[in-house]
Amino acid sequence: DGGITQSPKYLFRKEGQNVTLSCEQNLNHDAMYWYRQDPGQGLRLIYYSQIVNDFQKGDIAEGYSVSREKKESFPLTVTSAQKNPTAFYLCASRKGANTGELFFGEGSRLTVL
Amino acid sequence: LAKTTQPISMDSYEGQEVNITCSHNNIATNDYITWYQQFPSQGPRFIIQGYKTKVTNEVASLFIPADRKSSTLSLPRVSLSDTAVYYCLVGDMWRDDKIIFGKGTRLHILP
Repeated sequence: DGGITQSPKYLFRKEGQNVTLSCEQNLNHDAMYWYRQDPGQGLRLIYYSQIVNDFQKGDIAEGYSVSREKKESFPLTVTSAQKNPTAFYLCASRKGANTGELFFGEGSRLTVL
Repeated sequence: LAKTTQPISMDSYEGQEVNITCSHNNIATNDYITWYQQFPSQGPRFIIQGYKTKVTNEVASLFIPADRKSSTLSLPRVSLSDTAVYYCLVGDMWRDDKIIFGKGTRLHILP
C-alpha cells in the first residue's frame, strides 16, 4: 500500500543529544514537509522540500536540519540547539504544485528528558 | 498566504448538522480553500477543497459565498467519531509551496 512511514513512533532522548526522525514515502510525491505540533496547538512548519537536493526553511527552522537526497526520503534532525524539542512531529507529502492535498504520516512523538 | 480565522472550539450533539465557519478576508484570486480533520495523535486528513459556490463529497460540504471572504464547512448528522480538530487553509495550489496551518477549531460532539 502507498503511504508515508514515520519512525520511530515514540522516542526518548536526553538533553543535548541530536535525534533523527525518519520519513519515507512511496507515493512518488515531489514535495515533502515537516511540521511540529505542541499539545493543544496547531501545526507549525519546520522545513519543506519541493525537489531532491533542495529544501526551504519554514516558520520554526531554528534548531532543526533536514536533507533530501532521495525523492522518497526526508529525514529531520532535531539538534541540541533546539531549546524545547519535546513535541509531536508530523511528516507530509504532496504530489506536486497543483494540488492542495497533503498526505500525512502517523507522527513521531519525541520526549526529551 | 491568506490569514484565516476560525472559532477555537465548538460543541454539538450527535445527529446534528455542524457548521464551522472560516474567515479569510484577504483571500487572493487564485486561492483555494481546503479543510483538514485531525484526530488526537494522528496526522491531519484532507476533507474537502473548493474555489467558489458549493462543493460536496461523501464526508462534508463546503459553502463559499460570492465574495469568498469566508467559507463554511458543513458536517451532516455528526457522530461521536467526528470529534476532532478541523483546520481551514487558504492558498494558491499552483504557486504556494509553503503550506501553513492555523490553530484550527476543536469540535466536541456530545452524546
